[in-house]
Amino acid sequence: AQSVTQLGSHVSVSEGALVLLRCNYSSSVPPYLFWYVQYPNQGLQLLLKYTSAATLVKGINGFEAEFKKSETSFHLTKPSAHMSDAAEYFCAVSDFTGGGNKLTFGTGTQLKVEL
Amino acid sequence: KAGVTQTPRYLIKTRGQQVTLSCSPISGHRSVSWYQQTPGQGLQFLFEYFSETQRNKGNFPGRFSGRQFSNSRSEMNVSTLELGDSALYLCASSSTGVSTDTQYFGPGTRLTVL
Repeated sequence: AQSVTQLGSHVSVSEGALVLLRCNYSSSVPPYLFWYVQYPNQGLQLLLKYTSAATLVKGINGFEAEFKKSETSFHLTKPSAHMSDAAEYFCAVSDFTGGGNKLTFGTGTQLKVEL
Repeated sequence: KAGVTQTPRYLIKTRGQQVTLSCSPISGHRSVSWYQQTPGQGLQFLFEYFSETQRNKGNFPGRFSGRQFSNSRSEMNVSTLELGDSALYLCASSSTGVSTDTQYFGPGTRLTVL
């Protein structure tokens, strides 16, 4: 089965600093990977996804992620953090064992942005 | 297009009761998935329906069940509620239900079991 691991349950950055949220995957087949963001009391919103096309994926709100097979990683970055980026971020892999459309999520990273 | 809608948004029940949650997918979407989110266990997959058929089921007891109607709307039911069932229940829809498809999430139903 596919799985993802998010390193760092809490990350704190200064406004304007680089954001780096880490995600490593485990998969015996080429994975399909997703990053979602969740604001308080809301559902999940897709930031970007990797489906085996370009390894550098650009998403919404200035976020991007690079798929690195050699490192089994799919880290999320943003050059300059904004206060509005404070939220919880989830990495997910599309797990098609057993059939159907199922996402397996990491444990999430809470991003705090400080002035 | 309207997004995924879930009703009710908040629900309070007592142990032993049962509850039904509703999800309306984005128009034209045929796949509906349900997830449970708790602080301790994170986001866990419950089940997925496509064209009224359950295609996949997560590791949850039989008290958790669901169905999908011909208009793709879905309901999930939890019987004999336990305190541990308190969670945010999220519904997601996708257009074709294939692995590369984006799943669009609703705002969730916050269930509190007393």
